[in-house]
Amino acid sequence: DTEVTQTPKHLVMGMTNKKSLKCEQHMGHRAMYWYKQKAKKPPELMFVYSYEKLSINESVPSRFSPECPNSSLLNLHLHALQPEDSALYLCASSQSDRSYEQYFGPGTRLTVT
Amino acid sequence: GQQVMQIPQYQHVQEGEDFTTYCNSSTTLSNIQWYKQRPGGHPVFLIQLVKSGEVKKQKRLTFQFGEAKKNSSLHITATQTTDVGTYFCAELTLGGYQKVTFGTGTKLQVIP
Repeated sequence: DTEVTQTPKHLVMGMTNKKSLKCEQHMGHRAMYWYKQKAKKPPELMFVYSYEKLSINESVPSRFSPECPNSSLLNLHLHALQPEDSALYLCASSQSDRSYEQYFGPGTRLTVT
Repeated sequence: GQQVMQIPQYQHVQEGEDFTTYCNSSTTLSNIQWYKQRPGGHPVFLIQLVKSGEVKKQKRLTFQFGEAKKNSSLHITATQTTDVGTYFCAELTLGGYQKVTFGTGTKLQVIP
């Protein structure tokens, strides 16, 4: 199984809502990532988890809160988002934080109204 | 921060024609990765180059890393409609923890 799954595929939320994005992999990978991709732009790294611990936070606003409950799961909790946060949110995993190939999930397309 | 630029930004080619995208950095890259993202899809890892002057081939795709490790290219021979998508180069930095920084991307459209 070389698949990273993400739910939901699409999400529309208001600025006062609280929602969560979920990412799962069963490849035994120990590093997991959240990226944000705006239209016609490259993915931008948000967070890196290595062995279930947060190792990189790329100065992401606190309205985005990551969580890694176990080595297979990665969540992104969303609260009080702004319309400019609308984007494709991609999860990725790699064997470790030292291995070079990242496997991306299909993404969650988020619209903030 | 450093940004890796890619040219062209967009490219339309007739099916069967060749295609090349170039990746340029103002600083020396430790390595270069290439990803493909189909329309509506997610990035898919293609390859990583590490050595100065390295050339690797995958069927119709040829990847090259410059001698000074500041540029790279991806060449596709005889494009097919399945080659449509955006091609990103990226640098993987391993100082402490893995971080992938993507280039600006080249969007390829193949006209049948």
